[in-house]
Amino acid sequence: KQEVTQIPAALSVPEGENLVLNCSFTDSAIYNLQWFRQDPGKGLTSLLLIQSSQREQTSGRLNASLDKSSGRSTLYIAASQPGDSATYLCAVEHGSSNTGKLIFGQGTTLQVKP
Amino acid sequence: GAVVSQHPSWVICKSGTSVKIECRSLDFQATTMFWYRQFPKQSLMLMATSNEGSKATYEQGVEKDKFLINHASLTLSTLTVTSAHPEDSSFYICSATGRRNSPLHFGNGTRLTVT
Repeated sequence: KQEVTQIPAALSVPEGENLVLNCSFTDSAIYNLQWFRQDPGKGLTSLLLIQSSQREQTSGRLNASLDKSSGRSTLYIAASQPGDSATYLCAVEHGSSNTGKLIFGQGTTLQVKP
Repeated sequence: GAVVSQHPSWVICKSGTSVKIECRSLDFQATTMFWYRQFPKQSLMLMATSNEGSKATYEQGVEKDKFLINHASLTLSTLTVTSAHPEDSSFYICSATGRRNSPLHFGNGTRLTVT
């Protein structure tokens, strides 16, 4: 059974710091991996999607990497800002084809202090 | 961009009543919709997958008679929590996708509180 784990569960950093969020999954047979942002009481905003054949994706100050063989992904946030404060969720689409069914990690709650 | 609208955004109901949550795709045809549940400080857990015009497929441990899902059109899926109890209080989120390999789009969620 595929399981997704995120560490740390919570993180507090001063503004301007670079930081890394970690995600691991137990079964390397994934179709893709996606990072989401969730603000309190809100839905999900997709940040980056990495297909199983890709190693990384970048969008602005965000960079996500994927090492499928080791079951790991990282989300790198450069020059963090207070507006980055949110919960970041990692999710994998398990299997060899596009099903749309995502398995989520527990999330990392990030607080960036001004 | 594609938008998924979820309604209501929050609802409070008394124990024993039923609550219906709607998930609409506003600018694309959603052949498949997914319903997730998120308890406080926990992650999203998939409840069921609904395909337009067919019965929903429920994940293990999810009671299909309690969580009724209807996906009667390509733009609307509904989740009805029947005979709600306080333990059903949670954040419910839907996602929708169109043709195969189309992106997933999430609604903004519904906060259900059962008193």
